[in-house]
Amino acid sequence: DAGVTQSPTHLIKTRGQHVTLRCSPISGHKSVSWYQQVLGQGPQFIFQYYEKEERGRGNFPDRFSARQFPNYSSELNVNALLLGDSALYLCASSFRGQWEQFFGPGTRLTVL
Amino acid sequence: QKEVEQDPGPLSVPEGAIVSLNCTYSNSAFQYFMWYRQYSRKGPELLMYTYSSGNKEDGRFTAQVDKSSKYISLFIRDSQPSDSATYLCAMRVSGNTPLVFGKGTRLSVIA
Repeated sequence: DAGVTQSPTHLIKTRGQHVTLRCSPISGHKSVSWYQQVLGQGPQFIFQYYEKEERGRGNFPDRFSARQFPNYSSELNVNALLLGDSALYLCASSFRGQWEQFFGPGTRLTVL
Repeated sequence: QKEVEQDPGPLSVPEGAIVSLNCTYSNSAFQYFMWYRQYSRKGPELLMYTYSSGNKEDGRFTAQVDKSSKYISLFIRDSQPSDSATYLCAMRVSGNTPLVFGKGTRLSVIA
């Protein structure tokens, strides 16, 4: 079975631009969570979605938004990019939001 | 004070050594404790998990949780060069709450 997949792998944007990151969960998993990992830090929780509804939101500004589609894939959107948004964005899926989360390889975003 | 504290290292050991990795935390509501391994430019991979206090062993890996001290540990026996990675501790209050991670400890095992 395929694991969690994310696209694109790498992305370079300039300040003020908008970005959309995509995630496909493991087949059968209905919950998707997004994390931001800045270089040298642990992942920090951004959003959790389960059955297409937002179930949790971390301490991130409103420039960050997400959604989950009927096939349980998800998008993370970031508007008005700042240099500090440069990070590895990780998607994790789980069956029902239960404890075992499986992470994808991440999307590395660089903001210039 | 951060909710989860983890010494970032780096930690360098010879092959075959016993490695001890540790985290402390401040939120006494944490019930689930995990260790993830993350290779360079990859996503985290779940290694071990423990619910509440106690020990858990899986091959060369042993996880320990001491809730009274708010302290968790991961021991790696007979360390191998392939164990070279960043090790992240993570914890959560309940089964469906977000994971709270430590900074990660970068480990190098030298052949």
